[in-house]
Amino acid sequence: DGGITQSPKYLFRKEGQNVTLSCEQNLNHDAMYWYRQDPGQGLRLIYYSQIVNDFQKGDIAEGYSVSREKKESFPLTVTSAQKNPTAFYLCASRSPGQGEGQPQHFGDGTRLSIL
Amino acid sequence: GQQLNQSPQSMFIQEGEDVSMNCTSSSIFNTWLWYKQDPGEGPVLLIALYKAGELTSNGRLTAQFGITRKDSFLNISASIPSDVGIYFCAGPIVAGGTSYGKLTFGQGTILTVHP
Repeated sequence: DGGITQSPKYLFRKEGQNVTLSCEQNLNHDAMYWYRQDPGQGLRLIYYSQIVNDFQKGDIAEGYSVSREKKESFPLTVTSAQKNPTAFYLCASRSPGQGEGQPQHFGDGTRLSIL
Repeated sequence: GQQLNQSPQSMFIQEGEDVSMNCTSSSIFNTWLWYKQDPGEGPVLLIALYKAGELTSNGRLTAQFGITRKDSFLNISASIPSDVGIYFCAGPIVAGGTSYGKLTFGQGTILTVHP
């Protein structure tokens, strides 16, 4: 089945440690997005990528980094510079060829916690 | 920037009751999207609206694109326990004539259904 796979489902980080969250999609979508979700808040955009080898910062990019070496993969690294990384992280993808209103499709998220 | 105000923040209802929630913005939107998020999972698209005044149904769900293009409404009829979750409205962030597929999200409405 086509979809977006995020792994791991749960991740724990020690102080000062970088961790990488995986996002893979087999929907053949060009655009991919990373969001952070905190309790009681909507989704906030961290980074997005419209095409392979290109990505842009979203609203809360500080302390995060991404790469887009393959169309189907958009990993997110939470660096030690991110002082409050505990959150639910969601990856999404979209096919931009179908216009501005084309919805994003989401993975099932990774919950990151600090040890 | 474009922000979405969603209300109510939470609802506690009895099974069988109807539910109404809305989303408003100070900016005009050309697309309104409604998502549902089950606990521990990613949001799933319920309804997409592309035209002012449009009324679209998906089973027991009905959503409307406001005439002013600054609001949207979601109604759920005859609620059942599996309707429990967080409902988000979302719309494309447009800057310089394109959104690059970026979405802005409301804060979400948490729905609890008592059997």
